[in-house]
Amino acid sequence: SQTIHQWPATLVQPVGSPLSLECTVEGTSNPNLYWYRQAAGRGLQLLFYSVGIGQISSEVPQNLSASRPQDRQFILSSKKLLLSDSGFYLCAWSEGTVNTGELFFGEGSRLTVL
Amino acid sequence: GQNIDQPTEMTATEGAIVQINCTYQTSGFNGLFWYQQHAGEAPTFLSYNVLDGLEEKGRFSSFLSRSKGYSYLLLKELQMKDSASYLCAVVDSNYQLIWGAGTKLIIKP
Repeated sequence: SQTIHQWPATLVQPVGSPLSLECTVEGTSNPNLYWYRQAAGRGLQLLFYSVGIGQISSEVPQNLSASRPQDRQFILSSKKLLLSDSGFYLCAWSEGTVNTGELFFGEGSRLTVL
Repeated sequence: GQNIDQPTEMTATEGAIVQINCTYQTSGFNGLFWYQQHAGEAPTFLSYNVLDGLEEKGRFSSFLSRSKGYSYLLLKELQMKDSASYLCAVVDSNYQLIWGAGTKLIIKP
């Protein structure tokens, strides 16, 4: 069966520090991968998605970046965090495009920037 | 712009029925999803509608009217574990998922 795991689950970082969130998927090949951010009272915001190794699409301009070094690994990074980067970050995967099936989400990573 | 509207919060009683509405204005339509999200956890899939009508799945049903830009999620025989946020999401003409802010459902004994 397929599983998705992301880490760390929670982290508190000072402004200006770097960030690395990791996500791995098991039990499937060539998944579509996504990074979302969820702010209180707002809908999920798509940050990045990837349809293959090294292929990253960015949906919003920001100081975050994403990389997909392996087929089932997706990393969200920042060189210098801002206060506005605080939020709940979710990694997800799907077998095809979003209209052909459900998204499977990781456990989430809660980031607090102080 | 694209917009998904859902009530912010609803309260219902254990054993009762509740209907959570979702209206949308998007550039095109290629399907509508409902997800359940317990506090501090990841969303999990509930239903997918692409044609008009009612889809029933156990205690949960989802309805879609494309002409009205409207959907609802119907939860029957409510249980305390149904306390969660319910997220409506629409696939637009560019095959992007547009998410509503979610409806927090509180179940009281």
